[in-house]
Amino acid sequence: AQSVTQPDIHITVSEGASLELRCNYSYGATPYLFWYVQSPGQGLQLLLKYFSGDTLVQGIKGFEAEFKRSQSSFNLRKPSVHWSDAAEYFCAVGPFPWVVFGNEKLTFGTGTRLTIIP
Amino acid sequence: NAGVTQTPKFQVLKTGQSMTLQCAQDMNHEYMSWYRQDPGMGLRLIHYSVGAGITDQGEVPNGYNVSRSTTEDFPLRLLSAAPSQTSVYFCASLGGSGELFFGEGSRLTVL
Repeated sequence: AQSVTQPDIHITVSEGASLELRCNYSYGATPYLFWYVQSPGQGLQLLLKYFSGDTLVQGIKGFEAEFKRSQSSFNLRKPSVHWSDAAEYFCAVGPFPWVVFGNEKLTFGTGTRLTIIP
Repeated sequence: NAGVTQTPKFQVLKTGQSMTLQCAQDMNHEYMSWYRQDPGMGLRLIHYSVGAGITDQGEVPNGYNVSRSTTEDFPLRLLSAAPSQTSVYFCASLGGSGELFFGEGSRLTVL
């Protein structure tokens, strides 16, 4: 069964510092990987996704993520965080999204809450 | 363009009561789904639909019913609310680029 692990429940960084959020996955086929962000009281918004091709993908708000098949990882990075980046971040893995086979679905990690200190 | 709209945003129920969470999208997406979000558990899929008239169970379907009579609407019904259903519920629809579009959530408390 597919699974996603976000080992850090809560991370605190200073404004202007760099950020890396970890995501490890287990998936039997070619994974399709996503990072979503959830601001307080809001729904989730897609930051970036990886389907194929270049393993370094760029997203919105200055975020990027790197797919490393050998490490089963898809870590999210940002060179310099802003106070507005404080939110919860979810990694997800699944099949080609609009083709659903049986019980295969998009599986979300448990999230990493990011706090920014001035 | 409103995207995905959920109502109500907040609801308090007593054990045994029933209610319906409404979800509507105006993006003509075929795929819609309901998730629940609980602390430390991420998002878990309750039910999903791949088009009008077609629904299927997700990971945690017990205690919930859905129907899909139109492309736009995908209501979630709690038949007899239990405290274990206290959660934040999200409706989402799937765009052609593989992106899930989420509503703002419905926070439900069952006493």
